[in-house]
Amino acid sequence: EAQVTQNPRYLITVTGKKLTVTCSQNMNHEYMSWYRQDPGLGLRQIYYSMNVEVTDKGDVPEGYKVSRKEKRNFPLILESPSPNQTSLYFCASSSRGLSNQPQHFGDGTRLSIL
Amino acid sequence: DQQVKQNSPSLSVQEGRISILNCDYTNSMFDYFLWYKKYPAEGPTFLISISSIKDKNEDGRFTVFLNKSAKHLSLHIVPSQPGDSAVYFCAAIPSSNFGNEKLTFGTGTRLTIIP
Repeated sequence: EAQVTQNPRYLITVTGKKLTVTCSQNMNHEYMSWYRQDPGLGLRQIYYSMNVEVTDKGDVPEGYKVSRKEKRNFPLILESPSPNQTSLYFCASSSRGLSNQPQHFGDGTRLSIL
Repeated sequence: DQQVKQNSPSLSVQEGRISILNCDYTNSMFDYFLWYKKYPAEGPTFLISISSIKDKNEDGRFTVFLNKSAKHLSLHIVPSQPGDSAVYFCAAIPSSNFGNEKLTFGTGTRLTIIP
């Protein structure tokens, strides 16, 4: 089954404690991206990757890091989480050429930073 | 600055009737538009899309209309079914964004179908 898998699904942690949210896709997609969803703001892009070892900032990259060492994995790293990073996070992937290859989303990771 | 706007946070429609969800955008560089549907505790799933060279695209019960001059698109669902109850997001991509398939999302409309 084609899917994007995020882990963990839920996490409550404290300010400053490094955490990683993993994202894995089994569709051999080149493109992967992270979004965060906040009330009244829709989904906003954090980082994206067009292929292995190619990553770039989205609209709201501050406080986040990513890596793309393998095609299937695109982890999101919060080195020193803060309460304003409490949000619902989605990973997405697609083949290049969006017009006929829409993005597939994971089921989300809800992070609470106390 | 919200470039894609869904001004109705919620909408209730009787089962069997037509649901119309609206979306407005401000960036004239957007040239591809999508609708995503989201159930609780799940990620958004792609529903239907339209390129700016078209003004209508239809897929079964779902039709998307694009009015470029008004910078407005709408999603029509007919007939509406209980399983259509979800949050609907419209999203857009600008032509200048080659390589980054970044979706600019609206804030969503919660559709409730009343049996």
